[in-house]
Amino acid sequence: AQSVSQHNHHVILSEAASLELGCNYSYGGTVNLFWYVQYPGQHLQLLLKYFSGDPLVKGIKGFEAEFIKSKFSFNLRKPSVQWSDTAEYFCAVNVGNTDKLIFGTGTRLQVFP
Amino acid sequence: DAGITQSPRHKVTETGTPVTLRCHQTENHRYMYWYRQDPGHGLRLIHYSYGVKDTDKGEVSDGYSVSRSKTEDFLLTLESATSSQTSVYFCAISPGFDLAHTGKTYNEQFFGPGTRLTVL
Repeated sequence: AQSVSQHNHHVILSEAASLELGCNYSYGGTVNLFWYVQYPGQHLQLLLKYFSGDPLVKGIKGFEAEFIKSKFSFNLRKPSVQWSDTAEYFCAVNVGNTDKLIFGTGTRLQVFP
Repeated sequence: DAGITQSPRHKVTETGTPVTLRCHQTENHRYMYWYRQDPGHGLRLIHYSYGVKDTDKGEVSDGYSVSRSKTEDFLLTLESATSSQTSVYFCAISPGFDLAHTGKTYNEQFFGPGTRLTVL
C-alpha cells in the first residue's frame, strides 16, 4: 500500500534558523505532491503543491519544496523561520491520478524568538 | 478561503448515542471527504464522495456512514458513538477536474474548520 513518511515528528528552532522537513513516499508512478500547514487551533491550509514541471516549487510565506523523483522525496524548506511559522506541517501525496490524498503523520514545528 | 462550513464545531456526547456531523460547501466542487485527525496518526480518510449519492470508503470507515443527497452537503454519521471516535473531524472538498484536458485530475483539497467531538 502507498504510504507517506515524515521522519521529523517534532522540530524546535530559533528564529532565523533554516528549516528542512523531510517527506518520503512509497509509489513508483505518477504523483502529485502537497504540503499543508495547520496553525494552532485552525484547519489545514495549502502551502505549496507539485504537479509537473520544475521540481523546485515555491509556495506561500517563503516556503519551497524540491521533488526528487529518484529519492521519492518532497522535502520542505525555508531559509529563515519566524515565530509565526510555529505550526504542524503535513506532507500529502495523490498517487496515480486517484481521487484520494495520503497524508503523513505530520511534523510539529516550534519556533522560539 | 474556500466556502466550507462544518456543524457543529464542538460536540460532547455519550457512548452509544448517534451523532451526525454536517459539511456544507458553496464551491460546487465534485469531491467531498471526511477525515479524522488524531495525535500521532495525522489525517486519516473515513469516507469520501465523488458525486451526489456516490460514496466510497476510506481507510478508517468502520463505525461510520455517510450520505450525500445534494452537491453542497456531505453528512457523516456515527451510528453508535464510542470513546475511540473522540477526535477532530475535518471535511475537505476538491474540484477534481481536468485542468488542461490531459486526462489528469488535480486533487488539491480545501479543508473546513473542523469539528471537535468528545464521546464520554
